[in-house]
Amino acid sequence: SQKIEQNSEALNIQEGKTATLTCNYTNYSPAYLQWYRQDPGRGPVFLLLIRENEKEKRKERLKVTFDTTLKQSLFHITASQPADSATYLCALDVGGNQFYFGTGTSLTVIP
Amino acid sequence: GAGVSQSPSNKVTEKGKDVELRCDPISGHTALYWYRQSLGQGLEFLIYFQGNSAPDKSGLPSDRFSAERTGGSVSTLTIQRTQQEDSAVYLCASSRLRGLSYNEQFFGPGTRLTVL
Repeated sequence: SQKIEQNSEALNIQEGKTATLTCNYTNYSPAYLQWYRQDPGRGPVFLLLIRENEKEKRKERLKVTFDTTLKQSLFHITASQPADSATYLCALDVGGNQFYFGTGTSLTVIP
Repeated sequence: GAGVSQSPSNKVTEKGKDVELRCDPISGHTALYWYRQSLGQGLEFLIYFQGNSAPDKSGLPSDRFSAERTGGSVSTLTIQRTQQEDSAVYLCASSRLRGLSYNEQFFGPGTRLTVL
């Protein structure tokens, strides 16, 4: 069965540093991968999508990489700010009209 | 414009009762998804609608769960004979069109279900 793992339950970093979150998956070759942000008590919010033929995608302070050989995506937030504190989820479109989400990584940016 | 709305926001029910959760997707979005999120867990895919049709219902946890969508818009998720393990946040999402490589999902705020 599909398994999606995201690094560490919680990640604490100092303001201004770069946060790096990991998403590893097995048993599938997704056409694309998405990253979402979820704040407490709210639904996830879409951040970025990266296709299998793209190695890297950037949006402002966010950068996503996608290595289909390693079956891994890395999500970077540069110049992190306390407002970036949230849970970040990766999601795979596994076909058959189904999406699988990882359990998420809780990020805390310390002022 | 309005985003995805869900009602009720909170539902407390007794074990064995039936509950109905409602989702109003963004107007014009043809795809609609239901997920379940338990405390400290990731999102568990339940079911997907393209228009009024749900091609695959295998994600529903048991036959106590059912979902329908009418008019290509509002969807309801019904849980019969609720059990305590059904307690979770139920999230609905919609997206513009299934089948394209770009398939951003817009989520509602969720319904928090507590089964006593």
